[in-house]
Amino acid sequence: QKEVEQNSGPLSVPEGAIASLNCTYSDRGSQSFFWYRQYSGKSPELIMFIYSNGDKEDGRFTAQLNKASQYVSLLIRDSQPSDSATYLCAVNTGFQKLVFGTGTRLLVSP
Amino acid sequence: DGGITQSPKYLFRKEGQNVTLSCEQNLNHDAMYWYRQDPGQGLRLIYYSQIVNDFQKGDIAEGYSVSREKKESFPLTVTSAQKNPTAFYLCASDPDKLNQPQHFGDGTRLSIL
Repeated sequence: QKEVEQNSGPLSVPEGAIASLNCTYSDRGSQSFFWYRQYSGKSPELIMFIYSNGDKEDGRFTAQLNKASQYVSLLIRDSQPSDSATYLCAVNTGFQKLVFGTGTRLLVSP
Repeated sequence: DGGITQSPKYLFRKEGQNVTLSCEQNLNHDAMYWYRQDPGQGLRLIYYSQIVNDFQKGDIAEGYSVSREKKESFPLTVTSAQKNPTAFYLCASDPDKLNQPQHFGDGTRLSIL
């Protein structure tokens, strides 16, 4: 069974702080990794994707991938109340099928 | 504007009734997917299609059926055999190329009357 694990949270951070969201996966053959943001009652929205070891930055967001340890993380700098949402980690295991984690709920307090 | 359109936004099903959820995309994507999301759970794959007139079962296909007669369209039928259909249904598509992300429609919320 290919699994993607996330802490369900909620992860509470004050406005302006760095939020760190983590995801581990079980399939060593996984090739690409995606972070989606989902507001309550809405559909998932792509934030970032990464497929090489290391860091990838896009504005306030940084995705980090460590294939040896089988984890991927998302850092959100200067967190804003509008970042409050559930963040879904998804892993492509090589057949263009994504396996999703259950998501981490992030709460950013003003 | 390119995108994925799902309709209706809300749908109610009576006992013993089949209902069909629509998904249309104008992104020229080859692959299309249907997911189901229950409260507090991640997305679970129902069916997917990588080419017209071909589709594959996902992890929870029982009680559902699909067709892919056109590249742009991938409708999902929730049959009366699906005993617990209440959920948020999401359609997605991607170019079916390595490492390319899936993009989602706005979803259909299905409830039992």
